[in-house]
Formats: sequence, structure tokens, C-alpha cells
Amino acid sequence: RKEVEQDPGPFNVPEGATVAFNCTYSNSASQSFFWYRQDCRKEPKLLMSVYSSGNEDGRFTAQLNRASQYISLLIRDSKLSDSATYLCVVNTLRGSYIPTFGRGTSLIVHP
Amino acid sequence: NAGVTQTPKFQVLKTGQSMTLQCAQDMNHEYMSWYRQDPGMGLRLIHYSVGAGITDQGEVPNGYNVSRSTTEDFPLRLLSAAPSQTSVYFCASSYGVQTNYGYTFGSGTRLTVV
Repeated sequence: RKEVEQDPGPFNVPEGATVAFNCTYSNSASQSFFWYRQDCRKEPKLLMSVYSSGNEDGRFTAQLNRASQYISLLIRDSKLSDSATYLCVVNTLRGSYIPTFGRGTSLIVHP
Repeated sequence: NAGVTQTPKFQVLKTGQSMTLQCAQDMNHEYMSWYRQDPGMGLRLIHYSVGAGITDQGEVPNGYNVSRSTTEDFPLRLLSAAPSQTSVYFCASSYGVQTNYGYTFGSGTRLTVV
């Protein structure tokens, strides 16, 4: 089993739709979690950290479920500009905290 | 604030050549790392450093060397380039990894080995 798994998609949704992505991780000792956004041929950029209590930033909501070992990202009222690849990142302590990236979920928002 | 600066942006090497990819950050970040990104493989960690003078191997270290003589710089050396090293390379840094700090990435180096 891969350490961090994501559905590669693509998720093809119309503008205004709500879309959700999940990311599962295998190491129960993982400590911190993030969602990144990567546009085509660009570097990944931090979207938001993920906390057990859940956190929201405008149209984006992230949630961590430690019992089931997954994190989620919900995007409401999708915009064309949300089209990108969304990467989940899991930090696990191995001497230092080492981040492991999922392979990403592709989102395409169409008019 | 420049953030994380990578040079060059593009490079073509012949098999067997060596080169150094440069990475510099001006945010006083402790943690720096190098990743390669290949289609369908996601980002894979090559080497990382938790501070000046300290480096360690990641998931795919073979064929690469690093050093961290200053907090700001973390160069990646390809010892003898091979076609399998054709990839996009990203440098990333973070204030620390023991809390919920995220990573800032450079804009990448697209390397082709022929």
C-alpha cells in the first residue's frame, strides 16, 4: 500500500459545483497534513494546513479524520480558476518530520 | 522577499556530464529539500537538510549529492547524468518541520539528459 494515496481523477465539474477530494495515508504516526495546489508546469503552492477540528478558508474546507486515516478537501462554488492538480502532503516523524506527497488529483472546472 | 530561487530554469545535459542545480532561500528557513517530479510518479524526495551542515537521504538519492554549508543555499549535484534523471526538479524550504509549517517551492528546473 502506498504511503499516501489520492484518486488521480480527473474530476470534471461545471462552474458553481461542489467537489470533494480524499487522500488516505497509511502511517498512523503521521503528524501534520497539508493540501497544495499545482498548476500545469508550475511549482506546488500551499493551499491550506489540515487540522482535526477542520478548517475553512473561503470556499475551501479541509478535514482530518485520524481514526480512518484520511484527509479531505471540499471546494464549494467552483470557479474556472480552481482547475489545477491538488496534492495532499503528510508529515511523518523519521528522525525529522519527512513530508510525503500524494500523486495529486486533477480538477477541471468547465463553463 | 525573493522566497526560494532555483537556477537554471532549463538545462540540457549529455549523458555522463555533471552539473549543479542551485537553490537559495532568503526566509531563514531551517529545512530545505530537493524533489523530482515525473509524470505519474508525483513528487519524490531526493535529499533534505534540517539545518546548515546537516543533510540526509530521501527516497531517491542515488546519483545525486548535496551539501548545506549555509542556511541559505542547498545545491544539488548530479555526478554523472543519465537519461533516467530527465525530470523536473523542485527545491523547497520550510521554517521547520516539527509543527504545521508548510513548504515554499522554487519555480523548478526542467532537466533533459540526452
